[in-house]
Amino acid sequence: DAGVTQSPTHLIKTRGQQVTLRCSPKSGHDTVSWYQQALGQGPQFIFQYYEEEERQRGNFPDRFSGHQFPNYSSELNVNALLLGDSALYLCASSRLAGGLEQYFGPGTRLTVT
Amino acid sequence: AQTVTQSQPEMSVQEAETVTLSCTYDTSESDYYLFWYKQPPSRQMILVIRQEAYKQQNATENRFSVNFQKAAKSFSLKISDSQLGDAAMYFCAYRSARGTGTASKLTFGTGTRLQVTL
Repeated sequence: DAGVTQSPTHLIKTRGQQVTLRCSPKSGHDTVSWYQQALGQGPQFIFQYYEEEERQRGNFPDRFSGHQFPNYSSELNVNALLLGDSALYLCASSRLAGGLEQYFGPGTRLTVT
Repeated sequence: AQTVTQSQPEMSVQEAETVTLSCTYDTSESDYYLFWYKQPPSRQMILVIRQEAYKQQNATENRFSVNFQKAAKSFSLKISDSQLGDAAMYFCAYRSARGTGTASKLTFGTGTRLQVTL
């Protein structure tokens, strides 16, 4: 049973560019959440997707957007990258019905230069 | 808004000894869940243990146990018989029990780095 997978593992972008990160949830999971983890900090909730819609959003600007596909996989898009967007981006999946626990992927390390 | 505080940036324990990691949280809700996650250098968050706020009994998972003090809003993790593989960042996290699914965002503390020495 495959767990949560994310791609790419590492990414280097230039300030002002746009980036897309990808996530495939654990088998049987229908809900995907994205978190940003800055160096030395705990993860911060960005948003959550269920049934291809954004259901909940944290305190992140509109430059951060996402998408969920019919197969439950998800993308995180960040436009107009800032140096402060450099972080580890974690995807977590869960089941909407009775899904107390979130299972995390290994993350994508984004470096903005 | 809920907040989670971990006041110990780093802790160290000798192999086979016991260590306790502290966590406090602030919430106005009465029903919620608390978690401890482990993040090794591989970066993948691994769930260690979960506690439901409505349960008075402290959760236990093998060598890991919690001390949940609801009135004090305290949720500490005790690791017994520490092993080298326990070395990692440990994060305390809060999840509201309000609603289902869409209320399931996790609020994390800043983490405690645990070192295990021989």
